[in-house]
Amino acid sequence: DIQMTQSPSTLSASIGDRVTITCRASQSISSWLAWYQQKPGKAPKLLIYKASFLESGVPSRFSGSGSGTEFTLTISSLQPDDFATYYCQQYNSYSQTFGQGTKVEIK
Amino acid sequence: EVQLVESGGGLIQPGGSLRLSCAASGFTVSSNYMNWVRQAPGKGLEWVSVIYSDGTTYYTDSVKGRFTISRDNSKNTLYLQMNSLRAEDTAVYYCTRQLTGDPSGSWGQGTVVTVSS
Repeated sequence: DIQMTQSPSTLSASIGDRVTITCRASQSISSWLAWYQQKPGKAPKLLIYKASFLESGVPSRFSGSGSGTEFTLTISSLQPDDFATYYCQQYNSYSQTFGQGTKVEIK
Repeated sequence: EVQLVESGGGLIQPGGSLRLSCAASGFTVSSNYMNWVRQAPGKGLEWVSVIYSDGTTYYTDSVKGRFTISRDNSKNTLYLQMNSLRAEDTAVYYCTRQLTGDPSGSWGQGTVVTVSS
């Protein structure tokens, strides 16, 4: 199975900060990488698909990049609504695996 | 509007069985890839199973031989039959819709399964 490793596990940031989360795959997944946002007690919400494509309705301050085994999610200017946990997910194979998550906290 | 509504969760003793349901509206279950994803308390997301539009099914190793994913086209509903339940199966179970070549873009609200004596 493909393993996904996210870093950092927790991130403390302030409103307006630029935030970057990294996700590494144990083998190449081309661009079959998604990013989700999850808030407590809620289902995950798709933000980015195919590594860099913004899901409809998602603010443009979110962006994704990378291919192969290294990927990043960037929030250009952190807003109050962005404090949440973020997960990467590979969907290169039927066995879709998630990263362990990155919790973005208020500094 | 796409909607997914899970049901069937609850408290069950180890070794017991439960069947989760996911009622879909706004699209046809049989024409899409449908998944079950779970999240143990305080933990991350774990993919459990998928059923493709052609009926092919796959499972994560920890549930193979115990869980069965299926669908009822007449009811436009996805199921997860869970047998021989273990404490480590305790989680919120989400059903998701996955368009071909895309990740899970639509999720239900989840149903809670607690396996405990």
